[in-house]
Amino acid sequence: DGGITQSPKYLFRKEGQNVTLSCEQNLNHDAMYWYRQDPGQGLRLIYYSQIVNDFQKGDIAEGYSVSREKKESFPLTVTSAQKNPTAFYLCASSITSGGGLDEQFFGPGTRLTVL
Amino acid sequence: DAKTTQPPSMDCAEGRAANLPCNHSTISGNEYVYWYRQIHSQGPQYIIHGLKNNETNEMASLIITEDRKSSTLILPHATLRDTAVYYCIVRVNYGGSQGNLIFGKGTKLSVKP
Repeated sequence: DGGITQSPKYLFRKEGQNVTLSCEQNLNHDAMYWYRQDPGQGLRLIYYSQIVNDFQKGDIAEGYSVSREKKESFPLTVTSAQKNPTAFYLCASSITSGGGLDEQFFGPGTRLTVL
Repeated sequence: DAKTTQPPSMDCAEGRAANLPCNHSTISGNEYVYWYRQIHSQGPQYIIHGLKNNETNEMASLIITEDRKSSTLILPHATLRDTAVYYCIVRVNYGGSQGNLIFGKGTKLSVKP
């Protein structure tokens, strides 16, 4: 089955620890995205990548880092510099972010709780 | 900031049509109207998009006013599984950061038996 997977669904970490969230897609999409969602709020863009080995900051990139070494994978690291990391994290992908009416496909999300 | 305004919540009876409004009075000529929905604790799901003509697919219909300052998403026969938060988004149809989706708070649609 084609799709986007995020693991784990629930993640708990102690304050001050870095944590990496995984996102994998087998849709052969060029573009991938990371969003954060807080309770009762819409999604906010953290980072996005239009192609392998390239990525750009979104609206709330501070305290986060990403890598895009493979087309299929776009891991997000939540660093200890992120002031309020507890949130629901969503990964998405699209065929391309450059032109065309490409919709974004979302993964099931990872709920991160920092204790 | 989101460039759209939606009511925070709506109710709809099961089997009836759900009409979700969206205002986008500052929409530019090259911006499309997109609709996504998010069922509780899941990732958003694409529904439909349009530029100026009305659009229909297997999930919904999108009615855009002639001046393009507002639109309505129509779910013709709402079911309990349509209970979700519905997001109306305007975006340009080209790449780079300008093409990114900007999600507001959306409309929480509750379909009741």
